[in-house]
Amino acid sequence: EAQVTQNPRYLITVTGKKLTVTCSQNMNHEYMSWYRQDPGLGLRQIYYSMNVEVTDKGDVPEGYKVSRKEKRNFPLILESPSPNQTSLYFCASSLHSLSNYGYTFGSGTRLTVV
Amino acid sequence: GQNIDQPTEMTATEGAIVQINCTYQTSGFNGLFWYQQHAGEAPTFLSYNVLDGLEEKGRFSSFLSRSKGYSYLLLKELQMKDSASYLCAVRAAGNTGKLIFGQGTTLQVKP
Repeated sequence: EAQVTQNPRYLITVTGKKLTVTCSQNMNHEYMSWYRQDPGLGLRQIYYSMNVEVTDKGDVPEGYKVSRKEKRNFPLILESPSPNQTSLYFCASSLHSLSNYGYTFGSGTRLTVV
Repeated sequence: GQNIDQPTEMTATEGAIVQINCTYQTSGFNGLFWYQQHAGEAPTFLSYNVLDGLEEKGRFSSFLSRSKGYSYLLLKELQMKDSASYLCAVRAAGNTGKLIFGQGTTLQVKP
């Protein structure tokens, strides 16, 4: 089944403890992206990747890192999480950046930082 | 700046027709998407418009007017399972692939 897989689905952590949210897609998509979704603010792009080893900042990149060493994987790293990073996170992929079908989203990761 | 406006909430009756509007003001335009998102779940793709006019796909249709910065999603023969949030998103100009999302419209379908 074609899909984007994110892990974990739920995570509660403490301020300052480094964490990684994994994202993997099995559709051979070139383009991958991370979004966060907050009430009243909608979905906002954190980082995106046009292809392997090509990443760039989105609208809200502060406090996050990403890497794209392989085409299928695009992990999101929070080096020192803070409470304002409590949010619902979605990984998304598409065949390329201008696909007519937009993104395929992962199931989401609900992160709480206390 | 970039701004996408949708109504926050709408209510409709099972079997009826509902139209969800979206207006946008963005520095560039490379297509408009509609997604459906059930509570706690991932958004799923509904439609894509890049040229003016109506795109029909089963019970769902989407319309675009680029000159007016306006789109709507039309849902016919509403079913209870259509209760969800509907997200309007504009793809930014250039090749970054970035989608700029509105806050979403929560539709409640009542019996």
